[in-house]
Amino acid sequence: EPEVTQTPSHQVTQMGQEVILRCVPISNHLYFYWYRQILGQKVEFLVSFYNNEISEKSEIFDDQFSVERPDGSNFTLKIRSTKLEDSAMYFCASSGQGALNQPQHFGDGTRLSIL
Amino acid sequence: TQLLEQSPQFLSIQEGENLTVYCNSSSVFSSLQWYRQEPGEGPVLLVTVVTGGEVKKLKRLTFQFGDARKDSSLHITAAQPGDTGLYLCAGAPNAGNMLTFGGGTRLMVKP
Repeated sequence: EPEVTQTPSHQVTQMGQEVILRCVPISNHLYFYWYRQILGQKVEFLVSFYNNEISEKSEIFDDQFSVERPDGSNFTLKIRSTKLEDSAMYFCASSGQGALNQPQHFGDGTRLSIL
Repeated sequence: TQLLEQSPQFLSIQEGENLTVYCNSSSVFSSLQWYRQEPGEGPVLLVTVVTGGEVKKLKRLTFQFGDARKDSSLHITAAQPGDTGLYLCAGAPNAGNMLTFGGGTRLMVKP
């Protein structure tokens, strides 16, 4: 069964450094998402991406965050200058055509630890 | 801001018992998805419910979407130790795709 893959599984970074989290969505999916889950808290929406542009973003997704689809397969989340509070699990998800009510399929996440 | 409240947060039962997990909101959702998450992994989709009043069955799991599309339930019949895990509900708004997640129900089924 096709799946969403994320790399790396664990990233440790010094505060203030830039970090790029990578995702390969399911190949025929058109909608891509990033969520995060701080330890012990709910999964929170960050951003959705369709047709090479951001379609929705939450308050969390400020100027320090950016997303890109640099080629036909990868979808990346960049955090420009990491803060301690950025430590969390970051999940990538994708969904198929006709976005409304299409189920979102999640990767196994990248655990980001900011020191 | 749409909120989803899940209950109970924790549930510990014996093998063979039945259980129900609830997901409630004051907001209307266009669809609601149920996921199961294992430690160190991402949420794995179990089912999507779309129509008010819809009932879907997945073996011993029964999912229901409320008539007003504001709430949902997951019922497990004759629970088994393999059902142990974290169950998450997530609602999609009427416009857009951002999922709002509930806080999760951590289920433990003891043999």
